[in-house]
Amino acid sequence: GIQVEQSPPDLILQEGANSTLRCNFSDSVNNLQWFHQNPWGQLINLFYIPSGTKQNGRLSATTVATERYSLLYISSSQTTDSGVYFCAVTGGYNKLIFGAGTRLAVHP
Amino acid sequence: EAGVAQSPRYKIIEKRQSVAFWCNPISGHATLYWYQQILGQGPKLLIQFQNNGVVDDSQLPKDRFSAERLKGVDSTLKIQPAKLEDSAVYLCASSFTAQETQYFGPGTRLLVL
Repeated sequence: GIQVEQSPPDLILQEGANSTLRCNFSDSVNNLQWFHQNPWGQLINLFYIPSGTKQNGRLSATTVATERYSLLYISSSQTTDSGVYFCAVTGGYNKLIFGAGTRLAVHP
Repeated sequence: EAGVAQSPRYKIIEKRQSVAFWCNPISGHATLYWYQQILGQGPKLLIQFQNNGVVDDSQLPKDRFSAERLKGVDSTLKIQPAKLEDSAVYLCASSFTAQETQYFGPGTRLLVL
């Protein structure tokens, strides 16, 4: 099956810093989503991005499907950005396959 | 628009007991998913429904887990009997169609002692 690898596994930032999270996938996929899981466990959709670039406030994402990777950029990080960021890809029939996540801690 | 609702939010049981979780998807969403998230890992799909039919249950441990979606709306996931390794967060998600964005509920945290 499709393998999804995320890096780095852990990240500690000072408030205001920028960061880039990476997601590599092993095969062609129908789609790709980025999620943020907050400290209370709620999974929140950030981007639905099979290809190209999207931006939403301080967050942006780029997927290069032909090279099988996606990047999530966080600019001017805030303490509320803390949590786990998951990349998930869809194979057959919208089956989401998640990576292991990047655990982000933003300190004031 | 109301999100995906799940109950209970927390459950503690002893091994070999039974437990059931409930999910109410976003109104109008035909596709419903149950995921298991073990601590430190990403969610893993257990079962996917399209209306009230099962699309994918390949990773559901069918000897102890069962799920149903009567009338194509609400769904229940049951574990009987529970094992220690079933301790996890059980997430329900729904999407308008199988090809669209999935929206997740808050999850049910299960601890099996």
